[in-house]
Amino acid sequence: QVQLQESGPGLVKPSETLSLTCTVFGGSISSYYWTWIRQPPGKGLEWIGYIHYSGSTKYKPSLKSRVTISVDTSKNQFSLKLSSVTAADTAVYYCARDSRDFYYNMDVWGKGTTVTVSS
Amino acid sequence: QTVVTQEPSLTVSPGGTVTLTCASSTGAVTSGHYPNWFQQKPGQAPRALIYSTSNKHSWTPARFSGSVLGGKAALTLSGVQPEDEAVYYCLLYYGGAVVFGGGTKVTVL
Repeated sequence: QVQLQESGPGLVKPSETLSLTCTVFGGSISSYYWTWIRQPPGKGLEWIGYIHYSGSTKYKPSLKSRVTISVDTSKNQFSLKLSSVTAADTAVYYCARDSRDFYYNMDVWGKGTTVTVSS
Repeated sequence: QTVVTQEPSLTVSPGGTVTLTCASSTGAVTSGHYPNWFQQKPGQAPRALIYSTSNKHSWTPARFSGSVLGGKAALTLSGVQPEDEAVYYCLLYYGGAVVFGGGTKVTVL
């Protein structure tokens, strides 16, 4: 069955760029929408954006100016870059698979990776 | 910006029934918002329970059911078990974008 695994630095300095990668195991990244979600400590889930395997993207409007999501189909990976980070970007970051055909379904999630923004 | 609203907390007795709702600031929730529901326990990633209003995953216990009721998406837990104590999030699709609700903490007491 498909599994997702997030990876990347756990500590990022303010004003720098947060970079995370999600690797898809047990299935192909072709098809589906591949999504990033985050959860600040003690708070709820926040959708960041997605990339379709074809390369089309959509981002949360309030983050759009700072977010880039890309895909590398040869490595079965997709990535998140968030620029000019502040303490407010401290969160657990999850990647997830989003299926949108007849049914819309965010069924497979990674375990999450904690990113702390601090000098 | 679109806001999706859930009850902050609900309490239910073991064996009882509880219904969680999910409302949209843009108006009535319909099947076209493809409501999804997730369960999250402390220290764990969210787990998908319901997709596209009322469809269950293969791992979803039969006591969980989803619907659209009175302009809101709803998740009903029937015959609640102690292990159902968790935070439950709804998710609505708005064309390409997605918005999560703020979550409902369900206490089994």
